[in-house]
Amino acid sequence: SQQGEEDPQALSIQEGENATMNCSYKTSINNLQWYRQNSGRGLVHLILIRSNEREKHSGRLRVTLDTSKKSSSLLITASRAADTASYFCATDAEETSGSRLTFGEGTQLTVNP
Amino acid sequence: EAQVTQNPRYLITVTGKKLTVTCSQNMNHEYMSWYRQDPGLGLRQIYYSMNVEVTDKGDVPEGYKVSRKEKRNFPLILESPSPNQTSLYFCASSLWGQGHEKLFFGSGTQLSVL
Repeated sequence: SQQGEEDPQALSIQEGENATMNCSYKTSINNLQWYRQNSGRGLVHLILIRSNEREKHSGRLRVTLDTSKKSSSLLITASRAADTASYFCATDAEETSGSRLTFGEGTQLTVNP
Repeated sequence: EAQVTQNPRYLITVTGKKLTVTCSQNMNHEYMSWYRQDPGLGLRQIYYSMNVEVTDKGDVPEGYKVSRKEKRNFPLILESPSPNQTSLYFCASSLWGQGHEKLFFGSGTQLSVL
């Protein structure tokens, strides 16, 4: 089954604006992670939030997790052109704990200078 | 520098010609995994390994083989490639199970099977 579906599929904003991406998932999780991918390159880990956490910050990133709604959001504040990339959420599901992260299809973020 | 190294970066081959994509990590990670990335389908796991000589199927294992004879290496083998295996492949590693589940990814291998 598909875990980690991001919304929107594509987002275009101006430099300096905030960007918000959402992720929904279907099953109970141990943690949820966000990754960034520059065009065709390897994914880079941004932030991990555990199922017992509700919010986490890292620099200009803010992640929230609502386990009752099975959803998460990634907020990038004061965006820069260099933030242009695809962003993926990934879930470590309880049922497959210790074996995999399941990725969504990603949100393509474009930050216009 | 801590890294996951995949080779080659680009590969064009023909149907049926066996190939191997290599993956090596220098972080002493127990966990290693292969993913393929296709437009509209996101990343799908092919195989994973929890430690030396321990491998298991992911979501899309058909047509692929792996081996884990050494901790640092986790090659992906396509015994008889077919055009539907044309994809972007990523190897990843992690200290999974020790409270550090984040994945470190290689730069990817773009495979085209003609």
